[in-house]
Amino acid sequence: DIVLTQSPALAVSLEQRATISCKTSQNVDNYGISYMHWYQQKPGQQPKLLIYEGSNLASGIPARFSGSGSGTDFTLTIDPVEADDIATYYCQQSKDYPFTFGSGTKLEIK
Amino acid sequence: QVQLKESGPGLVQPSQTLSLTCTVSGFSLTSNSVHWVRQPPGKGLEWVGAIWSGGSTDYNSALKSRLSISRDTSKSQVFLKMNSLQTEDTAIYFCTRSRGALNYWGQGVMVTVSS
Repeated sequence: DIVLTQSPALAVSLEQRATISCKTSQNVDNYGISYMHWYQQKPGQQPKLLIYEGSNLASGIPARFSGSGSGTDFTLTIDPVEADDIATYYCQQSKDYPFTFGSGTKLEIK
Repeated sequence: QVQLKESGPGLVQPSQTLSLTCTVSGFSLTSNSVHWVRQPPGKGLEWVGAIWSGGSTDYNSALKSRLSISRDTSKSQVFLKMNSLQTEDTAIYFCTRSRGALNYWGQGVMVTVSS
């Protein structure tokens, strides 16, 4: 199985930039597409898709969110951070079965 | 619009079988895949399995021996059955539509395994 590694928590100040990383144990690119996706989950809610295929913004998601990376190293950036962004962020790969998720990064405000 | 809604018993006894239903609307099961994802209390997300538009399935290898996913396209429903339940199976179970990424999610159903 492909293992995805995320830092457990990140503390940032409002209106600053948050950078959340996800490293995979195997390459999740194929034919120029990165099969890496990012989700936001707030307490008591279902996850919400933010970024798909590495860098594509999902429908209705503010442009403050962006994704980058390829191969085995990926980043979700939130700039600027707003109070409503307090949540846990998960990366997920869909290159190989089983699909796997990172353990989540909890975004906190300094 | 696209909607998914999970239903099923909130409490299951150990060693019994869990049966969940995901009722979808706004899209066709013959053109989209539906996945199950679960989340134990206070923990992260775990992919459980999927049923593809053609009806084939894929399962988490750790759960494969206990798991079955099927569907009724005429009723727009996807079913999850997991047998020999253990306390570690206590979780919120989500169904979600996939277009590569998991782009629409149900609200989830909490399943507690306890005697």
